[in-house]
This record gives sequence, structure tokens and C-alpha cells, in this order.
Amino acid sequence: QVQLVESGGGLVKPGGSLRLSCAASGFTFSDYYMSWIRQAPGKGLEWVSYISSSGSTIYYADSVKGRFTISRDNAKNSLYLQMNSLRAEDTAVYYCARADDFDLWGRGTLVTVSS
Amino acid sequence: QSVLTQPPSVSAAPGQKVTISCSGSSSNIGNNYVSWYQQLPGTAPKLLIYENNKRPSGIPDRFSGSKSGTSATLGITGLQTGDEADYYCGTWDSSLSVPTNWVFGGGTKLTVL
Repeated sequence: QVQLVESGGGLVKPGGSLRLSCAASGFTFSDYYMSWIRQAPGKGLEWVSYISSSGSTIYYADSVKGRFTISRDNAKNSLYLQMNSLRAEDTAVYYCARADDFDLWGRGTLVTVSS
Repeated sequence: QSVLTQPPSVSAAPGQKVTISCSGSSSNIGNNYVSWYQQLPGTAPKLLIYENNKRPSGIPDRFSGSKSGTSATLGITGLQTGDEADYYCGTWDSSLSVPTNWVFGGGTKLTVL
């Protein structure tokens, strides 16, 4: 069925790195722009990053610019988020979502940044 | 502080109607489509409204959206206890007339009394 499944979350120390993955199925992944969106515990939604269908256009929120890198592999129907120099304030559930309207969301993967 | 402003909470009785506002500026709502999302407790958000007033397949017509100038509104009629959730508006925000950042409102918690 049509779905997105995130993986790769976990506990990491401040300053550490983590790579999230999002596996897409049930639709033509290469036709769609994609995004990462996060939600800190008890807080609202925060858009993180966006990548065009070919990967040629990428945007980042100011809060992650220079630390996070979004990428995709259309042959593997997969979206990625490389997160470096992690901070406590990056602690959140990270969702991948199908753009432009975010009409399809994964269940999310929890990233906890703590010493 | 969110770029888009929503009331923190709204409430109404079952069967009644409620509206949730989303206020922005010319760099976001004023020049871009608005979407609305419903997040039930413990679940991922779900798209309710896109392009200001369109409903995805499967979303009942009890949910409606509108936009005027730099504000948007989500309306829910015939409230049900299952509508208790957090609701978020969202849209592109443009820098130098190019939409480069997606922004969400702070979210509104709907309580069905």
C-alpha cells in the first residue's frame, strides 16, 4: 500500500551524528518532492527540509542549515536526512512527508539528543 | 514563536460548528496556498485541506477551508468527539518572492465538550 516508513532514530550525544531514512512504497517516488518535518516533545510541527523530485532543488530551515543534509535515491525509493552536530534542541520525532501538500506522512522516528 | 498565528485552543459541543483561524502575512498566506492538518493524539499528522479549500479523498465535507488576504480559516461542522485533535495550518513563506521555507502555525487544540 501507499506508505512511508522512517528509520534510524535513536539516542545520540550532543555533537554527534545520525542518519535517518525514509522508505517509500505504493507510489512512484521519483515523481514527488519530499520533506522532513519534526515535532519536539509536546510541541508543534517544524518543517526541516525539502528536496525536489530530481534532487536538484533543496531548502533547509534556518535552524538546521549547515548541519543537516537531505538527499534521496530514486532507484531505492528512499529519502535520507544526515544530521551532524546534533544539539539538545534537535530532540524530536522526525517525519518524512510527501510534498508539496504533505498528503502522505510516515509514523515518524524519535531522535533524542542527550548526554 | 510561529510565523503563522493560531489560537492555542478552541472548544465546542458535539454537533456544533467551530472555526480555527490562521493569521500570516503577505510573504506567506498572502501569496501562497494554505493547507490544514489534523493530528490525533499519538499519531502522525493528516492532510485535511490543501490549496486553501480542497479536501483530499476521504475527508468528509464537514471540514472546510477558506482564505482571505493574509488569513485562513478551517471550519468544522457537526462536531464529533473523534474530532478532538491538534490542528495546524501551513504554507510556503517566500524570500525575495521565491517560496523557500514551509511554515506551520503553532497549532490549535480542539476540545469537543
